[in-house]
Amino acid sequence: KAGVTQTPRYLIKTRGQQVTLSCSPISGHRSVSWYQQTPGQGLQFLFEYFSETQRNKGNFPGRFSGRQFSNSRSEMNVSTLELGDSALYLCASRRDSNNSPLHFGNGTRLTVT
Amino acid sequence: GDSVTQMEGPVTLSEEAFLTINCTYTATGYPSLFWYVQYPGEGLQLLLKATKADDKGSNKGFEATYRKETTSFHLEKGSVQVSDSAVYFCALFLYGGATNKLIFGTGTLLAVQP
Repeated sequence: KAGVTQTPRYLIKTRGQQVTLSCSPISGHRSVSWYQQTPGQGLQFLFEYFSETQRNKGNFPGRFSGRQFSNSRSEMNVSTLELGDSALYLCASRRDSNNSPLHFGNGTRLTVT
Repeated sequence: GDSVTQMEGPVTLSEEAFLTINCTYTATGYPSLFWYVQYPGEGLQLLLKATKADDKGSNKGFEATYRKETTSFHLEKGSVQVSDSAVYFCALFLYGGATNKLIFGTGTLLAVQP
């Protein structure tokens, strides 16, 4: 069974640009979440999508947005990039049932210069 | 608010030594508890989980017991290997509606020397 797939693995952007990251969940998983990992702040929750609807959101500015498609694939967009957005962005999927764990992809490493 | 506290690293051990990484949590409600491991350049891998008090999660020689009375979920392994070198994250998850998210500790770097 294929795991969570994130593309691309690496991105380099300049300040002010925008970026879109993609995530394909494990087959059968309808919940997709995004997390940001930085050395200073650790792992922080961005948002969760289920059935094409944002179900939960973390404390990030509106520049961070996402969406989910009918096949459960998800994209995350960051507009007007800032240097502080440099991070590893992790996508995770799970079955929508109690006690079902999150399964993570290998992440997209975003560097903003 | 809900939070996870785990011991600061790095933890440096010799091969075959005993490992303990402490983790305590604060949560409203009844969380599920997890340990994830991150190898260099990779994402997070689920190591083990426990969903209710007194549950013991185990995998690859690692164990952790959900202790509600001490709000702890300490990770242990009897004999570590060089291949266990990684960053370990303790996390809690509160299921249900708007609270569906993992809350992570800061991570503990484990370095095992041959």
